[in-house]
Amino acid sequence: DIQLTQSPSFLSASVGDRVTITCRASQGISSYLAWYQQKPGKAPKLLIYAASTLQSGVPSRFSGSGSGTEFTLTISSLQPEDFATYYCQQLNSYPAFGPGTKVDIK
Amino acid sequence: QVQLVESGGGVVQPGGSLRLSCAASGFTFSSYGMHWVRQAPGKGLEWVAFIRYDGSNKYYADSVKGRFTISRDNSKNTLYLQMNSLRAEDTAVYYCAKDGMGFDPWGQGTLVTVSS
Repeated sequence: DIQLTQSPSFLSASVGDRVTITCRASQGISSYLAWYQQKPGKAPKLLIYAASTLQSGVPSRFSGSGSGTEFTLTISSLQPEDFATYYCQQLNSYPAFGPGTKVDIK
Repeated sequence: QVQLVESGGGVVQPGGSLRLSCAASGFTFSSYGMHWVRQAPGKGLEWVAFIRYDGSNKYYADSVKGRFTISRDNSKNTLYLQMNSLRAEDTAVYYCAKDGMGFDPWGQGTLVTVSS
């Protein structure tokens, strides 16, 4: 099974900060990676698929990059509505999610 | 608009059964594979099961294999998850989601609590 790790698991940031979250796969998954945002009590929301393609309707301050085993999600200028937990997901084989990164207000 | 609405959650005793439903609207349900994903209280996301658009193939996480069954009725635009031999560790919010390059959209989730 392909395992995903995320770093950091928690980060504290301020509005306007540039934030980067890393996701690493235990083996190569090409670009079969997606990123989700989840707010408390809500379903996850797809932000990025195919490692770097922005889902329709998602603000352009979100971007994704990487391929193979290392991927990043970047928020160029953190907004108040971006405080949430972010998950990566691999779709190369049986789907699996990373453990999540909680982005909190500094 | 594309919408998924889960139902059927509740409280069940260990060893019991429950069937979840996911009603789809706003897209051609019979053309898409569908997933179930769960989230235990305060924990991360766990993929549970997948069914192809026509029901011809089904895949399960090891944690539920042999106990859960995914199915669909394309005439009713509805996805199901039959859960048998439930354990305390199956307690979670269960989401259905439409397959694609990512899962989108997701339903609002239905809570399953396994407790005596």
